Amino acid sequence: KAGVTQTPRYLIKTRGQQVTLSCSPISGHRSVSWYQQTPGQGLQFLFEYFSETQRNKGNFPGRFSGRQFSNSRSEMNVSTLELGDSALYLCASSLEGQNTEAFFGQGTRLTVV
Amino acid sequence: AQKVTQAQTEISVVEKEDVTLDCVYETRDTTYYLFWYKQPPSGELVFLIRRNSFDEQNEISGRYSWNFQKSTSSFNFTITASQVVDSAVYFCALSDSIVAGGSEKLVFGKGTKLTVNP
Repeated sequence: KAGVTQTPRYLIKTRGQQVTLSCSPISGHRSVSWYQQTPGQGLQFLFEYFSETQRNKGNFPGRFSGRQFSNSRSEMNVSTLELGDSALYLCASSLEGQNTEAFFGQGTRLTVV
Repeated sequence: AQKVTQAQTEISVVEKEDVTLDCVYETRDTTYYLFWYKQPPSGELVFLIRRNSFDEQNEISGRYSWNFQKSTSSFNFTITASQVVDSAVYFCALSDSIVAGGSEKLVFGKGTKLTVNP
């Protein structure tokens, strides 16, 4: 059974640009969550999608958005990048939600210069 | 608001030593889940255990054991006879109340970096 796949693994962008990250969950999983990991703030919840609907959202500005497709694949987008957006972005998939076992991908390392 | 505190930022032990990673949580919910995840250098978070708030039984899985004490809001993790492969960052996490069909986010502690030296 394939695990959670995140692409790309590494990304370098310039301030002001926008970026799209992709997450393919484990087959059959309908819930996809996104987390931002930085040395200063640790792991912080961005949002969760379930059956193409955003069910929950963390405390991030509107520059952070996401969506989920009918095949449960998810994308997150960050517009007008800032230096502080440099982080490891992790995607987690689970059958029904975070209270079930969540499987994480290896993440996308975003560097904003 | 939920909060998870992992007071130990870094721990270094010698192989075969036992090591305990501490986790203290805060929540006003009566129903919640607690988790431990391991993050090796490759980056992905590896699920280790989930425990709901009504189950205070300790759990043992091989060299791993968990001690959940509701009275002290703690969910500590012990590795017995540590090995070099146990070197990683370990995260304790808390989810909020269970809502049927709803969505619960995970609140993570800052993590404890464990280094097991040969």
